[in-house]
Amino acid sequence: QVQLQESGPGLVKPPQTLSLTCSVSGGTISSGSYYWSWIRQPAGKGLEWIGRIYTSGTTTYNPSLKSRVTISVDTSKNQFSLRLSSVTAADTAVYYCARDRLWFGPDIWGQGTMVTVSS
Amino acid sequence: QSVLTQPPSASGTPGQRVTISCSGSSSNIGSKTVSWYQQLPGTAPKLLISTNNQRPSGVPDRFSGSKSGTSASLAISGLQSEDEADYYCAAWDDSLNGPVFGGGTKVTVL
Repeated sequence: QVQLQESGPGLVKPPQTLSLTCSVSGGTISSGSYYWSWIRQPAGKGLEWIGRIYTSGTTTYNPSLKSRVTISVDTSKNQFSLRLSSVTAADTAVYYCARDRLWFGPDIWGQGTMVTVSS
Repeated sequence: QSVLTQPPSASGTPGQRVTISCSGSSSNIGSKTVSWYQQLPGTAPKLLISTNNQRPSGVPDRFSGSKSGTSASLAISGLQSEDEADYYCAAWDDSLNGPVFGGGTKVTVL
């Protein structure tokens, strides 16, 4: 059974870069017709899709964040990563990585990691 | 402001049937399938309904989904205390080229 686990700093100073990694276990990240996404959720609020990557390296980003987001994949480590630059307090949220099915949305989610942006 | 519109709350007594609505547009629900997620307090969302009305393995048949036009709904029959959670609808959006979500509905078991 595929499982995802986020890791990275829980506190980031503005305007530094937020960096998170998602480790995939129980399956190979490069197998199947899946994409790999990042989604975030500010406290008490709804879910916002950040972007996705395919194992070929092809990426698609939410236009609202596109200028600050980079998602990359390391198939040798079965991991994919998120970098969000020039962070502000508005980027404080729980960040989830997820397995994504094109046109159908996420089906498996990581447990999430809380990231606070504060000086 | 979420792209998909859900009521912020819903409630019922144990055993009752509760329905949650989700409204979208032609660029998402109107042309793509709908998923529903259950988020228990302090946990990650869990896929509850896929492709409008399909339950993944392990999801009780008390949960059912439907879609008509640019709207969808989730029904919980025989409401149980462990169903207290936030529920989110989602659909692929052609304009975003990614999934959009509702604002979530908090279900309370009275």
